[in-house]
Amino acid sequence: AQKITQTQPGMFVQEKEAVTLDCTYDTSDPSYGLFWYKQPSSGEMIFLIYQGSYDQQNATEGRYSLNFQKARKSANLVISASQLGDSAMYFCAMRDNTGFQKLVFGTGTRLLVSP
Amino acid sequence: DGGITQSPKYLFRKEGQNVTLSCEQNLNHDAMYWYRQDPGQGLRLIYYSQIVNDFQKGDIAEGYSVSREKKESFPLTVTSAQKNPTAFYLCASSPTTGYENYEQYFGPGTRLTVT
Repeated sequence: AQKITQTQPGMFVQEKEAVTLDCTYDTSDPSYGLFWYKQPSSGEMIFLIYQGSYDQQNATEGRYSLNFQKARKSANLVISASQLGDSAMYFCAMRDNTGFQKLVFGTGTRLLVSP
Repeated sequence: DGGITQSPKYLFRKEGQNVTLSCEQNLNHDAMYWYRQDPGQGLRLIYYSQIVNDFQKGDIAEGYSVSREKKESFPLTVTSAQKNPTAFYLCASSPTTGYENYEQYFGPGTRLTVT
């Protein structure tokens, strides 16, 4: 069975600094995808970044980058130049690419950005 | 604007009553999903549908029912058999074919309180 583990319940960072949110995963499938979502206090889930298991390079999207270490089964999210608006819950999720491709979510990390 | 709408945003019900949560999308997506989120937890899959008139149970389907009579609509009924219905409910949609790295698009959610 697939599993996502996020061991940091909360993280603090100062504005303009970088922060890394940890995510480890477990799967026996050779083909899978990893996602990060942001959930502000309003509740909606906002897609941030995707990494495929066969992608050779780490994914980047603006200030977001994914540090993908396949051998360690980790997919950490790096947010550069943090902004006050980055304060939110962040969820790591995995989708297997076989059968029905459902998402399995971690328990999330709450990020607080201070001025 | 394309997107997913869920109504209402807040819903209050008495114990023992069934309640139906609405989810509509105009993204022309084939697949739709219902998730439940409890405080401090990630999202758990209740039901999903890959095509009209077909749906499958997710990880926590007991006490819930769905229908998929139209591509755009995937309503969720929380029945009186659901022992702990108070939660935040999120609806999502996605394409199902031809997009290996597709993400799920989420609605704004419905917060259900049962007393």
